[in-house]
Amino acid sequence: QVQLQESGPGLVKPSQTLSLTCTVSSGSLSSGGYYWSWIRQHPGKGLEWIGYIYYRGSTYYNPSLNSRVNISKDTSKNQFSLKLSSVTAADTAVYYCARRGGFSREFDYWGQGTLVTVSS
Amino acid sequence: QSALTQPASVSGSPGQSITISCTGTSSDVGSHDFVSWYQQHPGKAPKLIIYEVNNRPSGVSNRFSGSKSDNTASLTISGLQAEDEADYYCSSYITSGVLTLFGTGTKVTVL
Repeated sequence: QVQLQESGPGLVKPSQTLSLTCTVSSGSLSSGGYYWSWIRQHPGKGLEWIGYIYYRGSTYYNPSLNSRVNISKDTSKNQFSLKLSSVTAADTAVYYCARRGGFSREFDYWGQGTLVTVSS
Repeated sequence: QSALTQPASVSGSPGQSITISCTGTSSDVGSHDFVSWYQQHPGKAPKLIIYEVNNRPSGVSNRFSGSKSDNTASLTISGLQAEDEADYYCSSYITSGVLTLFGTGTKVTVL
C-alpha cells in the first residue's frame, strides 16, 4: 500500500517561498507511469489542483499558479517537492500530496495533508 | 476554467438513497469518462470512492455508485449510513489548461 507524507514549515511569511516535501513509501517515484501531485484546500473551501510531476520528470501546473510554482523530485530519496513563491495570505491552505494514475486520471493515494499558514 | 458545480448540501435519513450531481461542460465532464468522486471526513484527506464514472476501488462499499449523462455526473449513496456523513467532491480530467477540475463540494448530512 502506497503511503505519502507531507512535511515542511507550517508558517511562512508573506512574499517568501513555501516549500513542502512529500515522501513516498511502498512505491517508487521512478516507476509505474504515475503523476505525483500537489493539491490544496483553503480553509473551509474546496480542492484546488496545483500541479504534478510525471515519473519521467515532466511537469504540469495550474495556469493560475504557473508563474509561482515549481515541482521537482528526488528519486534517490523517493520524494517530490513543491515550491510556491511570493506567497500571500491567499495561499494559506492545507496542502496535500497525492498520486494520480498514468492512464487513469484519479488520485488514488493521498497524504494526510499539512496546514500552511502565511502570516507575518 | 471554473469549478464543477455541485449542490452545497444533500441530506437523507438512514437507509435512504441520495444522489449528488456534478455539472460541468462539454470540455470536461462531457468529453470523456475520467470523472472521479472523493469522500472527505472533517480533518481528513479525501478518499477516492469512484473513478472513471462508475468504478469502485477495492474496499469501497458497493453502496456507492456513479453515473454520467452528457455534462453531468452523479454519485448515488444507497442505504445511507451515519458514517457517510462527509463532504463529497467530484473531479474531472481536462485535456488542456487546468488539467484537473474539482467540484464545489457537497456536504452530506444523515438526519
